[in-house]
Amino acid sequence: NAGVTQTPKFQVLKTGQSMTLQCAQDMNHNSMYWYRQDPGMGLRLIYYSASEGTTDKGEVPNGYNVSRLNKREFSLRLESAAPSQTSVYFCASSEAGAGNNEQFFGPGTRLTVL
Amino acid sequence: QKEVEQNSGPLSVPEGAIASLNCTYSDRGSQSFFWYRQYSGKSPELIMFIYSNGDKEDGRFTAQLNKASQYVSLLIRDSQPSDSATYLCAVNGYSTLTFGKGTMLLVSP
Repeated sequence: NAGVTQTPKFQVLKTGQSMTLQCAQDMNHNSMYWYRQDPGMGLRLIYYSASEGTTDKGEVPNGYNVSRLNKREFSLRLESAAPSQTSVYFCASSEAGAGNNEQFFGPGTRLTVL
Repeated sequence: QKEVEQNSGPLSVPEGAIASLNCTYSDRGSQSFFWYRQYSGKSPELIMFIYSNGDKEDGRFTAQLNKASQYVSLLIRDSQPSDSATYLCAVNGYSTLTFGKGTMLLVSP
């Protein structure tokens, strides 16, 4: 099992460009999450999908959109990148709601917006 | 807005000592508590979770929960240099986890 995979691992964008971060899990988990991690700010939830077909905003959703393509895949899209979106992005999944299930994290995507 | 507070550190301990990492949370209704370890440049990985008041031990790690004080801690016995990492406390919400900003632990040989 690969667990949670993310692509790309690194990306440099210019202000205004768009891109999609891909995430897939092979653990048959129902719930998937997108976080960003900035120095001194910890992990902040951007969007999550509690189950296939549903998505909800997290703490910092502005400037992002998501798609739960199927049970395995959950993508994060930046329509018009801004320097403030320079961050490390982590995707995670869990068997059910996070209340009683651990979240498994992907390796992360390091994004720089110039 | 749920809040999870941790001392950012760094917490420095010598090899073989006990490291004590602390976390407080604001939502009295929280039921589940998680400790993640994150090495520099890597993704978080779960060390322990605890649901009930008291202590839970797993090898060199002990999680302690006091719901009345809204306090959860992680003790690492016989600390090793390989334990040097950032430790994230996380508290459950309805469908999500709220993470603290993490405490950096440095274990010196």
